[in-house]
Amino acid sequence: GNSVTQMEGPVTLSEEAFLTINCTYTATGYPSLFWYVQYPGEGLQLLLKATKADDKGSNKGFEATYRKETTSFHLEKGSVQVSDSAVYFCALSDTARGYQKVTFGTGTKLQVIP
Amino acid sequence: GAVVSQHPSWVICKSGTSVKIECRSLDFQATTMFWYRQFPKQSLMLMATSNEGSKATYEQGVEKDKFLINHASLTLSTLTVTSAHPEDSSFYICSASQAGQGGSPLHFGNGTRLTVT
Repeated sequence: GNSVTQMEGPVTLSEEAFLTINCTYTATGYPSLFWYVQYPGEGLQLLLKATKADDKGSNKGFEATYRKETTSFHLEKGSVQVSDSAVYFCALSDTARGYQKVTFGTGTKLQVIP
Repeated sequence: GAVVSQHPSWVICKSGTSVKIECRSLDFQATTMFWYRQFPKQSLMLMATSNEGSKATYEQGVEKDKFLINHASLTLSTLTVTSAHPEDSSFYICSASQAGQGGSPLHFGNGTRLTVT
């Protein structure tokens, strides 16, 4: 079956540091890939997505590139802010069952300190 | 953008009672809705997939008689936790997929914090 593996947290960085959160996946077919962000006490929000190989998703300074050869979708940001502190989930979706089923990674907590 | 409203945002109930959580898609039709349970160390567990007008599909290990799911319309799905016990205390999140939008992202509600005393 499908699976998503992402680095364990928490990740603690100083403001303006470079961020990488690794994500690799296992899937049959050609899934779409996503990063979701969850702020404390809230549901998940889509951060960015990529639907095919070599696509780059980007939003709010975050980027991730769909790498089919390495089955990866690492999240990066050049300069993090305190407001980026949240839990980040890597996810993939497929429509093998005729509807969209999403598989999530376990989430990585990011703490940015001033 | 697509909005999913989940209600209530938090609820406290006594052991043995039932609690209903609603999930509504406000500006789109959701043929499929998903119910997740989030555990303290943040991992999301898919509980069930709810298709409008048909029975929900439960994931392995999820008691369908305890977690009743109803998807009566294209904009509303409900999760009822029956005879709740303290171990059911958790954060429950719903999400919805837009009809005919394979590969599009899910839209999430803001979650419901259930505390069973």
